[in-house]
Amino acid sequence: GAGVSQSPSNKVTEKGKDVELRCDPISGHTALYWYRQSLGQGLEFLIYFQGNSAPDKSGLPSDRFSAERTGGSVSTLTIQRTQQEDSAVYLCASSFQGAGGNTIYFGEGSWLTVV
Amino acid sequence: RKEVEQDPGPFNVPEGATVAFNCTYSNSASQSFFWYRQDCRKEPKLLMSVYSSGNEDGRFTAQLNRASQYISLLIRDSKLSDSATYLCVVGAGTALIFGKGTTLSVSS
Repeated sequence: GAGVSQSPSNKVTEKGKDVELRCDPISGHTALYWYRQSLGQGLEFLIYFQGNSAPDKSGLPSDRFSAERTGGSVSTLTIQRTQQEDSAVYLCASSFQGAGGNTIYFGEGSWLTVV
Repeated sequence: RKEVEQDPGPFNVPEGATVAFNCTYSNSASQSFFWYRQDCRKEPKLLMSVYSSGNEDGRFTAQLNRASQYISLLIRDSKLSDSATYLCVVGAGTALIFGKGTTLSVSS
């Protein structure tokens, strides 16, 4: 597709379960970002991938969160042992290059609810 | 001090009004600046980039003051469709930092 694609669009999981969220960036975009947005809150930076460089993981809130990007394209965000405070929309974005002046385009998000 | 600060609003204005949003950022090494728009339960979308010389796109004008680390967005002749949350975004290093947004509600 032409835009950033995320799946699942909605996920309800039980507390303590692991979840995987997938992001397929725009073709040709080398930079990929994950953000989290809780209800009524701003966007919280989680992790950033740029080409073959080591990812910037400085925003991951705990070691229960991890992300991979395989082959420089698709990325998976994994949350282990989910907690209720993990409930949020997880937004993936991509850009042609890094964040220096390039527009980033967001997917529609994966809405996660932990019950 | 938060990295990117915005007045959360809400700003409630009538159609046709002019409204201005302000944003301050803390990292003096910031290199890129944007305004994004986010509709309720939707993803953010780029409204406009912000350049040092200031720039205009139709009814929207953005300005940057690097010395004061301040960004502004001016909306003239507000439309009902302008109702949304406006996010100030600053790039420094590897990622973009988003403000929490300013909510605008335009009424008829």
